[in-house]
Amino acid sequence: LAKTTQPISMDSYEGQEVNITCSHNNIATNDYITWYQQFPSQGPRFIIQGYKTKVTNEVASLFIPADRKSSTLSLPRVSLSDTAVYYCLVGDGAAGNKLTFGGGTRVLVKP
Amino acid sequence: DAMVIQNPRYQVTQFGKPVTLSCSQTLNHNVMYWYQQKSSQAPKLLFHYYDKDFNNEADTPDNFQSRRPNTSFCFLDIRSPGLGDAAMYLCATSKVAELAKNIQYFGAGTRLSVL
Repeated sequence: LAKTTQPISMDSYEGQEVNITCSHNNIATNDYITWYQQFPSQGPRFIIQGYKTKVTNEVASLFIPADRKSSTLSLPRVSLSDTAVYYCLVGDGAAGNKLTFGGGTRVLVKP
Repeated sequence: DAMVIQNPRYQVTQFGKPVTLSCSQTLNHNVMYWYQQKSSQAPKLLFHYYDKDFNNEADTPDNFQSRRPNTSFCFLDIRSPGLGDAAMYLCATSKVAELAKNIQYFGAGTRLSVL
């Protein structure tokens, strides 16, 4: 499983864009990059996944450079309710590799 | 709505007294997982089922057991809870088509306290 490194915490303000970069230098060819969001006292929630280039959905965008050794989760115009822990995961679940959560990034959105 | 439901949300047990946590899903997913999450830590996988095939993580203590009587239900049994087993226990599911993309659907969790 590719090891991931992401910042421990980030502070932001309402209305700003938040970008969280995750490093995964030893990503394998078949690995996907997946991000989860977790609020206190709740289970993680899938946000977005990608393999390469850029992916966008109603919640976030995911930017993956050509070498795939890192990825950046972008949360546009955050609100107080976006305060959560964000986990970056890299792997190929179909190959029997289990989800291994890294440390996560604690994002605090301030008024 | 289809979902993953964990009961109870909060469970208090005594040191050494067996406890069972339950998880049900209406998603009809083949794969079910149990995770342990301690305060301010990331979730840690304990074991998972692919249909009826049970897969235990190497470092999961023998104190933790699981049962999956059918597709919809999965149970986590803690035979002799210790103080160190106090944690949030998360159940998750995945469908085969999304396994490669590491997409899992989590329940809200059961917070276990051991007195």
